[in-house]
Amino acid sequence: KQEVTQIPAALSVPEGENLVLNCSFTDSAIYNLQWFRQDPGKGLTSLLLIQSSQREQTSGRLNASLDKSSGRSTLYIAASQPGDSATYLCAVATNAGNMLTFGGGTRLMVKP
Amino acid sequence: KAGVTQTPRYLIKTRGQQVTLSCSPISGHRSVSWYQQTPGQGLQFLFEYFSETQRNKGNFPGRFSGRQFSNSRSEMNVSTLELGDSALYLCASSWDRGMETQYFGPGTRLLVL
Repeated sequence: KQEVTQIPAALSVPEGENLVLNCSFTDSAIYNLQWFRQDPGKGLTSLLLIQSSQREQTSGRLNASLDKSSGRSTLYIAASQPGDSATYLCAVATNAGNMLTFGGGTRLMVKP
Repeated sequence: KAGVTQTPRYLIKTRGQQVTLSCSPISGHRSVSWYQQTPGQGLQFLFEYFSETQRNKGNFPGRFSGRQFSNSRSEMNVSTLELGDSALYLCASSWDRGMETQYFGPGTRLLVL
């Protein structure tokens, strides 16, 4: 059974700092890994999707890497801003359907 | 292009009642998945429908059921509601299987009293 863990559970940083969020998974036979952002009481916004054959994806100030063999992914946020404050979730798809297994999330607060 | 829409956005029910939630996927998307989010258990997969067929099912009791219509709109039903069913129910849509980004709706917040 796939298990996804995110560390740390919460993070508070001053504005402008570069930061790394971590995600680990137990079964390396994944189809893809997605990073999402969730604002309080809202749905999920997809940030980056990494296919199992890829090593990283970039979008603006965000860069996500994937190391299947070690069961790890990282989300790098450059030059953090207060608007980046949210919960960040990683999720893996381990079959050909769209069933995602989510980590518990990292709650990020960027202080002005 | 309109995003994923869910109705209703908020719902209050009492124990023992049943509830039906609706999800309209992004136009052209054929896969709809449902998730339950609670503070204690986080996000958990309920089921996925693709072209009107249930393709995957999570580990939830039979009180949770769903269906998908020919226009890809989906409904989920929870019968005999329990207090523990209080949660944010999210649906997600994608064009096909596995290789695509999933897009989530705003969710339906269900409170069971």
